[in-house]
Amino acid sequence: SQTIHQWPATLVQPVGSPLSLECTVEGTSNPNLYWYRQAAGRGLQLLFYSVGIGQISSEVPQNLSASRPQDRQFILSSKKLLLSDSGFYLCAWSVLGSYNQPQHFGDGTRLSIL
Amino acid sequence: GQNIDQPTEMTATEGAIVQINCTYQTSGFNGLFWYQQHAGEAPTFLSYNVLDGLEEKGRFSSFLSRSKGYSYLLLKELQMKDSASYLCASMDSNYQLIWGAGTKLIIKP
Repeated sequence: SQTIHQWPATLVQPVGSPLSLECTVEGTSNPNLYWYRQAAGRGLQLLFYSVGIGQISSEVPQNLSASRPQDRQFILSSKKLLLSDSGFYLCAWSVLGSYNQPQHFGDGTRLSIL
Repeated sequence: GQNIDQPTEMTATEGAIVQINCTYQTSGFNGLFWYQQHAGEAPTFLSYNVLDGLEEKGRFSSFLSRSKGYSYLLLKELQMKDSASYLCASMDSNYQLIWGAGTKLIIKP
């Protein structure tokens, strides 16, 4: 069966510090991969999605970036965090090319910026 | 623009039935998803509708009317563990999900 791992679970970082969140998927090949952010009481905001290695689409201009160095690895990064980057970050995967298949989420990373 | 509307919060009694509504306006339509999200946890998939009508899965059912841009999630025989937020998401013409803010469901004994 497929599993998705996301870490760390919680992170407290000072303003201006760098960020690296990692997500890996097991049990499937060539997945679609997604990074979302969820602010308290808000819906999910799509940040990045990827349909293959090195292929990243950005949905929201910001100081975050994403990379997909391997088929089942997705990384969210920042060089300098802002206070507004606080939130719940979720990685998700879905079956490539199957639009009626759901997205499956990792456990999320709760990021607090001080 | 693209928009998903659902009530912010609902309260229901254990053992009862509750209906959570969702209206959507998206650029194109490729289906409507419902997810459950317990506090502090990730969303988990509940249902998918792309054709008009009712889909039943145990205690949970989901309905879609494409002409009205409307869906609902029906929860029967409510249990305390059903206390969670329920997220409605519409898939647009680019096969991206547009998410509602979620409906927080509070179950009282």
